[in-house]
Amino acid sequence: DAKTTQPTSMDCAEGRAANLPCNHSTISGNEYVYWYRQIHSQGPQYIIHGLKNNETNEMASLIITEDRKSSTLILPHATLRDTAVYYCIVRSHMRFGAGTRLTVKP
Amino acid sequence: GAVVSQHPSWVICKSGTSVKIECRSLDFQATTMFWYRQFPKQSLMLMATSNEGSKATYEQGVEKDKFLINHASLTLSTLTVTSAHPEDSSFYICSAKGTSSLREMNEQFFGPGTRLTVL
Repeated sequence: DAKTTQPTSMDCAEGRAANLPCNHSTISGNEYVYWYRQIHSQGPQYIIHGLKNNETNEMASLIITEDRKSSTLILPHATLRDTAVYYCIVRSHMRFGAGTRLTVKP
Repeated sequence: GAVVSQHPSWVICKSGTSVKIECRSLDFQATTMFWYRQFPKQSLMLMATSNEGSKATYEQGVEKDKFLINHASLTLSTLTVTSAHPEDSSFYICSAKGTSSLREMNEQFFGPGTRLTVL
């Protein structure tokens, strides 16, 4: 199963773009990359997913490198409510790593 | 997005008793449900995967006789913590994926979690 590695924590200024990286160097060709976030004491919330192409929805954009060994989640205009732990997961097994604790500061 | 509910949202029980947690998919049929456990300041740990109508597949180190999982219908899965002890106190989260009448669902949707405290 592919594993993911993410920075432990990141800070971002309110209104600025938050770029959260994820490494998944052992990902196989048919495995999707999923991003979730968890606000304290709540269940994880789905954000976005992708396979090869970049994806965008109302919440975020997902940039996947051509070799698919890493990806970046972009929150274009971070707000205080985006403060959460962000998890990057490879689809096949849905096991969570430690995630990145994003703190958006005023 | 699809909605997954859990009941109860929190429960306090005495050591040695059993507790049942329900996970329901409200607007789609969940062919697969997952159960996770999360201790304070830690990530979610996958406990088991269950497919409707078949036995759950447990992760290594998770006691199947202690954590009983039933996925008897396409909208309901239950987790029963038997003979609970204080070390079982945790945040239990379910998730579900499946199909809906509108679209094939690739996403996995999570419930709000159940906080179990064993005294």
